[in-house]
Amino acid sequence: DAGVTQSPTHLIKTRGQHVTLRCSPISGHKSVSWYQQVLGQGPQFIFQYYEKEERGRGNFPDRFSARQFPNYSSELNVNALLLGDSALYLCASSLTGGNTGELFFGEGSRLTVL
Amino acid sequence: QKEVEQDPGPLSVPEGAIVSLNCTYSNSAFQYFMWYRQYSRKGPELLMYTYSSGNKEDGRFTAQVDKSSKYISLFIRDSQPSDSATYLCAMSAYTGANSKLTFGKGITLSVRP
Repeated sequence: DAGVTQSPTHLIKTRGQHVTLRCSPISGHKSVSWYQQVLGQGPQFIFQYYEKEERGRGNFPDRFSARQFPNYSSELNVNALLLGDSALYLCASSLTGGNTGELFFGEGSRLTVL
Repeated sequence: QKEVEQDPGPLSVPEGAIVSLNCTYSNSAFQYFMWYRQYSRKGPELLMYTYSSGNKEDGRFTAQVDKSSKYISLFIRDSQPSDSATYLCAMSAYTGANSKLTFGKGITLSVRP
């Protein structure tokens, strides 16, 4: 079975631009979470969606938004990019939206903002 | 003070050594404790998942949780060069609504042949 797939794997943007990152969860998983991992740091929680509803939001500005589609795939959008947005963006899927399920991570989308 | 503190690295050990990795936390609501392994340029991979206090063993890996001390550990026995990676501790509180994980900074382990 395919794991969590993310696209694109690498991208370079300039300050002020917009970016859309995409994630497909493991088949049968209904929850998708997004994390930002800056170099040398642990991942930080951005959003979680379960059954297309937002279940949690981390301490990120409104420039960050996300949504989940009927097929449970998800998009993360970041507007007005800043240099500090350069990071590895990780998507994770789980069967349920609560704590009892394991989170399975994709390999990430590495964003560089120049 | 960060919610989760992880021992700083990097850590370099000879093959066959026992490795001890540790994290402390300040949020007493944390009940779910995990260790993830992350190879360079890859996503984190779940190694161990523990609910509340106690020990859990899986092959060469043992996870310990001491909620009274707010301290968790991962032990790796007979370490192998293939164990060379970054190890992240992660925790979550029961909310019923979401599975938000709070991660430590990670420690990079190198096992020398």
